[in-house]
Amino acid sequence: DGGITQSPKYLFRKEGQNVTLSCEQNLNHDAMYWYRQDPGQGLRLIYYSQIVNDFQKGDIAEGYSVSREKKESFPLTVTSAQKNPTAFYLCASSIAAGGASNEQFFGPGTRLTVL
Amino acid sequence: KQEVTQIPAALSVPEGENLVLNCSFTDSAIYNLQWFRQDPGKGLTSLLLIQSSQREQTSGRLNASLDKSSGRSTLYIAASQPGDSATYLCAVLSLGNAGKSTFGDGTTLTVKP
Repeated sequence: DGGITQSPKYLFRKEGQNVTLSCEQNLNHDAMYWYRQDPGQGLRLIYYSQIVNDFQKGDIAEGYSVSREKKESFPLTVTSAQKNPTAFYLCASSIAAGGASNEQFFGPGTRLTVL
Repeated sequence: KQEVTQIPAALSVPEGENLVLNCSFTDSAIYNLQWFRQDPGKGLTSLLLIQSSQREQTSGRLNASLDKSSGRSTLYIAASQPGDSATYLCAVLSLGNAGKSTFGDGTTLTVKP
């Protein structure tokens, strides 16, 4: 059953903690993305990766870090430097990062709350 | 810089009505435009992808059109049902933006029985 999985579904963080959100895909896609969604707003790009061992900052990368050691995995770490991390985090993937037929597919999301 | 706008932010219609959702973008140099559906607390589900060379795409009761010259796309939903209630987002993949899509803020649709 192909798709994108994210874990955990809900995550609670104390002030000063780093937390890591998991994203795994078995679609054999090269490109993967992390977005942040705040209530009533669209998606903002945090980081994206076009290929294994390579990633680029998106529009709101400060306070976040990622790695892409395997094609199927793209974990996101929310560091203590992120001042307002409470949000809904969405992971996506696509066959490649550009092109007319390139279509993004999304995981179910992780809701992060700072206590 | 590409900007994507969806108006209205919210829309309420009676069941059975045909409706149109709008998506506007400022830069017509695009690869494609994608429409998504999002249910509360869930991820995005891809509905339709329109490539820059295409004028429209259809899937069941959904029809999406693209007019690059005017920077507009519409999502037409025929014979709306309560199960269509959700937030609908459009995303534009622009040329020269290194594979990054720009999303609108969405239109929240409520279909009343």
